[in-house]
Amino acid sequence: DTGVSQDPRHKITKRGQNVTFRCDPISEHNRLYWYRQTLGQGPEFLTYFQNEAQLEKSRLLSDRFSAERPKGSFSTLEIQRTEQGDSAMYLCASSLSSGASTDTQYFGPGTRLTVL
Amino acid sequence: KQEVTQIPAALSVPEGENLVLNCSFTDSAIYNLQWFRQDPGKGLTSLLLIQSSQREQTSGRLNASLDKSSGRSTLYIAASQPGDSATYLCAVSPGNNNDMRFGAGTRLTVKP
Repeated sequence: DTGVSQDPRHKITKRGQNVTFRCDPISEHNRLYWYRQTLGQGPEFLTYFQNEAQLEKSRLLSDRFSAERPKGSFSTLEIQRTEQGDSAMYLCASSLSSGASTDTQYFGPGTRLTVL
Repeated sequence: KQEVTQIPAALSVPEGENLVLNCSFTDSAIYNLQWFRQDPGKGLTSLLLIQSSQREQTSGRLNASLDKSSGRSTLYIAASQPGDSATYLCAVSPGNNNDMRFGAGTRLTVKP
């Protein structure tokens, strides 16, 4: 198992453009999370999926953001009409939840977005 | 709203020292608390996870404690090494590991 992978690792875009990021979780993990991290701060929760169902969304996830996990495996995070304030590291994590207990979240290396 | 604070924001110690990193949270109704390590420009690596019913967890030179009633956790690193240099983050979960709230981290530098 190679762990959680994210693609691309870096993305530079111009304001107003749309961008899409991909996350491939650890294969047997049923939960997948998206976080955003700005410089000098801890990650902020954006949303999470259990299998293909999106169960929770933060208020940080504006209408310009959409996340999908169509087959309960990989996930995509799309940002439409990017703004300079969207510049951040976008982190994906996965975990195995068995109901009664919850395993650790395993994080990917992140996608660093720069909006010019 | 859960607020997580980590003190100090930065710490520099000589190699071999034992050290303690602090984490405090405002709402004691947590499901678990985790400590993570983050190297510059990289993702997070989980170090220790403490369930709300537990008081401490140990892994090698690391020991994490949890006092829910006072809203505090500490991460103790014994015999620090230059390879321990990183940012250490604590995070609390209000329920079953969703919506983790992170502190801003403590940036640790261990000098050879």
